[in-house]
Amino acid sequence: AQSVTQLDSQVPVFEEAPVELRCNYSSSVSVYLFWYVQYPNQGLQLLLKYLSGSTLVKGINGFEAEFNKSQTSFHLRKPSVHISDTAEYFCAVSDILTTNKLIFGTGTLLAVQP
Amino acid sequence: DTGVSQNPRHKITKRGQNVTFRCDPISEHNRLYWYRQTLGQGPEFLTYFQNEAQLEKSRLLSDRFSAERPKGSFSTLEIQRTEQGDSAMYLCASNSIGTRSGRTDTQYFGPGTRLTVL
Repeated sequence: AQSVTQLDSQVPVFEEAPVELRCNYSSSVSVYLFWYVQYPNQGLQLLLKYLSGSTLVKGINGFEAEFNKSQTSFHLRKPSVHISDTAEYFCAVSDILTTNKLIFGTGTLLAVQP
Repeated sequence: DTGVSQNPRHKITKRGQNVTFRCDPISEHNRLYWYRQTLGQGPEFLTYFQNEAQLEKSRLLSDRFSAERPKGSFSTLEIQRTEQGDSAMYLCASNSIGTRSGRTDTQYFGPGTRLTVL
């Protein structure tokens, strides 16, 4: 079984500052890793994903994430945030063999202030 | 490619009533997933289909819940005798595994159906 931990329920940050949203996972098998973003009253949009290869993954809207197998982490970063980045961010895993269900963390609200 | 669509977007019902939601996946996708998201939580897996076959159901899916995908295209999720605890956002997602069009590990989500049980 897999589990995902997002320790920060809310991250306040000023506009144009850098931000890191933390994600740690637990799994007895190899996994795929994903970050999704959810704007109010909307579905989830994929930001980026790690399937294999380079551990630094670049996604949309200037976000990137680094897969660290030894620390079982997949932290999301952006060097300079905008007001429009205010949203809920979810980290998720799925196991490589079956790639069916996604297991999500509880989410981190990124609150960008002017 | 018009994306995943869900109907209705909002549903308000009284406790004890039955409700049905519909999901139309991306047309070439053979896998379809249902998730439930309550306030302040991440989505939780409910069930998934490959074509018309329902391959896995979560323990969250009580016997009041039933899902179908009769022709391997759209899917319906029915909740019978709704309870206040069923109030949540119900999300549908789709992708492709093992088809001629290849493998799409990314699940694409619809906008969700928000259910409120009074």
